[in-house]
Amino acid sequence: SQTIHQWPATLVQPVGSPLSLECTVEGTSNPNLYWYRQAAGRGLQLLFYSVGIGQISSEVPQNLSASRPQDRQFILSSKKLLLSDSGFYLCAWSVQTGSYEQYFGPGTRLTVT
Amino acid sequence: GQQLNQSPQSMFIQEGEDVSMNCTSSSIFNTWLWYKQEPGEGPVLLIALYKAGELTSNGRLTAQFGITRKDSFLNISASIPSDVGIYFCAGRRNRDDKIIFGKGTRLHILP
Repeated sequence: SQTIHQWPATLVQPVGSPLSLECTVEGTSNPNLYWYRQAAGRGLQLLFYSVGIGQISSEVPQNLSASRPQDRQFILSSKKLLLSDSGFYLCAWSVQTGSYEQYFGPGTRLTVT
Repeated sequence: GQQLNQSPQSMFIQEGEDVSMNCTSSSIFNTWLWYKQEPGEGPVLLIALYKAGELTSNGRLTAQFGITRKDSFLNISASIPSDVGIYFCAGRRNRDDKIIFGKGTRLHILP
């Protein structure tokens, strides 16, 4: 069966520091991968998605970037964090074709101080 | 941009009551998904719907793909304390479109 991992689970970082969040998927090949941000008590905002290695689409202009160095690895980064980057970051995967169901990881709680 | 209107925003019910929530759009959708999110966790897929009029159950949960293709409904029968959480609808219009999410319905169960 497929599983999706995210780490770290929680992170507290000062303003201006760099960020790297990692997501990996097991049990499937060539998945679509997604990064979402969820502000406290709010809905899900799609940040980036990827259909393959090195292929990244950005949904919202922002202080963040994403990379996909391997088929089942998706990384969310920032060079300098802002207070507004605080939130709950969720990674998700879906199969390439035939289904539009997305499956989410456990999330990373980021607090920028 | 395209939005899904999910209602109600929150619900306070007694344990044992049935729950109904819905999601509407001004456009026709080809896929509807329902998720549940518990505090501090990622959303979990509950039910996926792909055909207009489709009615699908998952235990005490039943979801329907509206016949107009512009709405979807989720019902929970005989609610229990572990049903607490935020329920999100999500939908897709066309094959090349990405899934978009509603803002969620927060379910509270009174003791």
